[in-house]
Amino acid sequence: SQQGEEDPQALSIQEGENATMNCSYKTSINNLQWYRQNSGRGLVHLILIRSNEREKHSGRLRVTLDTSKKSSSLLITASRAADTASYFCATLSGNTPLVFGKGTRLSVIA
Amino acid sequence: GAVVSQHPSRVICKSGTSVKIECRSLDFQATTMFWYRQFPKQSLMLMATSNEGSKATYEQGVEKDKFLINHASLTLSTLTVTSAHPEDSSFYICSASPVRGGVDSYNEQFFGPGTRLTVL
Repeated sequence: SQQGEEDPQALSIQEGENATMNCSYKTSINNLQWYRQNSGRGLVHLILIRSNEREKHSGRLRVTLDTSKKSSSLLITASRAADTASYFCATLSGNTPLVFGKGTRLSVIA
Repeated sequence: GAVVSQHPSRVICKSGTSVKIECRSLDFQATTMFWYRQFPKQSLMLMATSNEGSKATYEQGVEKDKFLINHASLTLSTLTVTSAHPEDSSFYICSASPVRGGVDSYNEQFFGPGTRLTVL
């Protein structure tokens, strides 16, 4: 069964704006990971946040994790056209494989 | 580093034929490989996990006789879709990990670019 659910399903913004995507999950986790997928391509790992961490940064990416609400958010600041892609959260729970959400399709308009 | 390739990138086949997809780790030894399936605008669903030299472990609902996985070397795994049907049309993605099984392998996965299978 699916663990992560991203919202919104699709997001369209202007270049330079910030993009925020959310992920909710159901069970306790070891960590939560965000991936990017360009159209028709494989996945690129963006960032991993552990269950005992609340916030993490990597370049223009900022990820937060609220385990009490079982949710995470991915913020992309100063978006660029090249950020256009689908973004997936994936959760790791116990000793089971990663479970991916349905993704958010981000379109950044130049 | 940590590059994973897939071949072919696209394949079209007739219903009833078999199709083989290759997944290669180019610059590391892939002790564990994962095969995923992705329908349009949907999530990745794990089909099976294979460790080099061992039989693959299939997820619930995945027919092992239909989706044959061979992981005979530390750099190559193959997925063969046997007697393909139009409903098997999908995007198949592999990932590879230098770690043998378990949580650490799930955390350290490098994804291939995917193979688009269309069954007519």
